[in-house]
Amino acid sequence: DTEVTQTPKHLVMGMTNKKSLKCEQHMGHRAMYWYKQKAKKPPELMFVYSYEKLSINESVPSRFSPECPNSSLLNLHLHALQPEDSALYLCASSQIPGLAGRNLVFGPGTRLTVL
Amino acid sequence: AQTVTQSQPEMSVQEAETVTLSCTYDTSESDYYLFWYKQPPSRQMILVIRQEAYKQQNATENRFSVNFQKAAKSFSLKISDSQLGDAAMYFCALGFGPGANSKLTFGKGITLSVRP
Repeated sequence: DTEVTQTPKHLVMGMTNKKSLKCEQHMGHRAMYWYKQKAKKPPELMFVYSYEKLSINESVPSRFSPECPNSSLLNLHLHALQPEDSALYLCASSQIPGLAGRNLVFGPGTRLTVL
Repeated sequence: AQTVTQSQPEMSVQEAETVTLSCTYDTSESDYYLFWYKQPPSRQMILVIRQEAYKQQNATENRFSVNFQKAAKSFSLKISDSQLGDAAMYFCALGFGPGANSKLTFGKGITLSVRP
């Protein structure tokens, strides 16, 4: 298994809803990442988990709450989002945290729309 | 700090022709990696090609090849025999590691259209 999977593919939510995005990999990678991508823009790093511990938070608002229950699974919990949070959310993984600059594998993304 | 510059926002190529996408970068690291990622409208970010800075030989992957000019800090992507499926947004990226701050720095991207 050499891929990163993400569910759901699409998500529409209201500003008062609580939802979660899920990411999974079975490559034995020990670093996992959340990126946010607006249309026609490059991905922006949000969070990095290294060996299941949060190692980088790129000053992301608290309405986004990441969770890494185990080495294969990464969640992003969403609460009280704003319409400007509508974007493609990409998950990625790398073999070890220090190799993000060498070999990053991306998932297909979740298209989020906040109404 | 690392920077990646893709100055052309859009390009167009005729099917079966060759096109070159430009990218320049800046870094103070001596050990780094350069990438071209493709993101079609279906949105999956796919690695097209990767170049290790310490290698002088330009990387090639089938119809895709790079022109890596280390002194000039230039890393262009050549697509030969362009196909309709090559239409996508292409991102140039710079990475380094191992290290605690290892991460990818992306350029702004270029939208490539392929004319039938």
